[in-house]
Amino acid sequence: QQKVQQSPESLSVPEGGMASLNCTSSDRNFQYFWWYRQHSGEGPKALMSIFSDGDKKEGRFTAHLNKASLHVSLHIRDSQPSDSALYFCAASWSNYNVLYFGSGTKLTVEP
Amino acid sequence: EAAVTQSPRNKVAVTGGKVTLSCNQTNNHNNMYWYRQDTGHGLRLIHYSYGAGSTEKGDIPDGYKASRPSQENFSLILELATPSQTSVYFCASGGQAANSDYTFGSGTRLLVI
Repeated sequence: QQKVQQSPESLSVPEGGMASLNCTSSDRNFQYFWWYRQHSGEGPKALMSIFSDGDKKEGRFTAHLNKASLHVSLHIRDSQPSDSALYFCAASWSNYNVLYFGSGTKLTVEP
Repeated sequence: EAAVTQSPRNKVAVTGGKVTLSCNQTNNHNNMYWYRQDTGHGLRLIHYSYGAGSTEKGDIPDGYKASRPSQENFSLILELATPSQTSVYFCASGGQAANSDYTFGSGTRLLVI
């Protein structure tokens, strides 16, 4: 049973559109949440982190965290074909740096 | 530039054989990790290490051993490879703080026949 669940499994949006990815956890000990992005043939790379309730914006990317419901989301506005990738949600506890990853959302941005 | 390097990039092994996957990091991170990636399962943690000489079991350690002989190197060992271990394996390094991100290698694609 994976500790982090992601939805949807795959998502297709038109270029310039908004992509919304979701993540929930079953472990209330998780304190730190991350989004990682993996392009085909490469290792995952950290995209952004969010540790406090509310929104965090970095350029076209906005993450939202609600610790009470253990829900994290990632919104990508003005999506570009280069955003096409596999996106992972990951979470860790407060006293370890061991990341638990979800199963990923495959995002396709169509030109 | 700090990096995580995995070798080999691709490996074909026979069932019952021994396989060693190697990982080297130049980030000077204390922590290192081994994950496997399979469609529908995402990244699953096999073993990790907090420093030279230490190894810890992750979520799916059965059939795998790990070795951390130095700060820079972390190996994953399959003593008796099975076809179910066919997968893509990723090594990562990270700082000790719980809010530190990981640096991943490019992966090793293993096929066990």
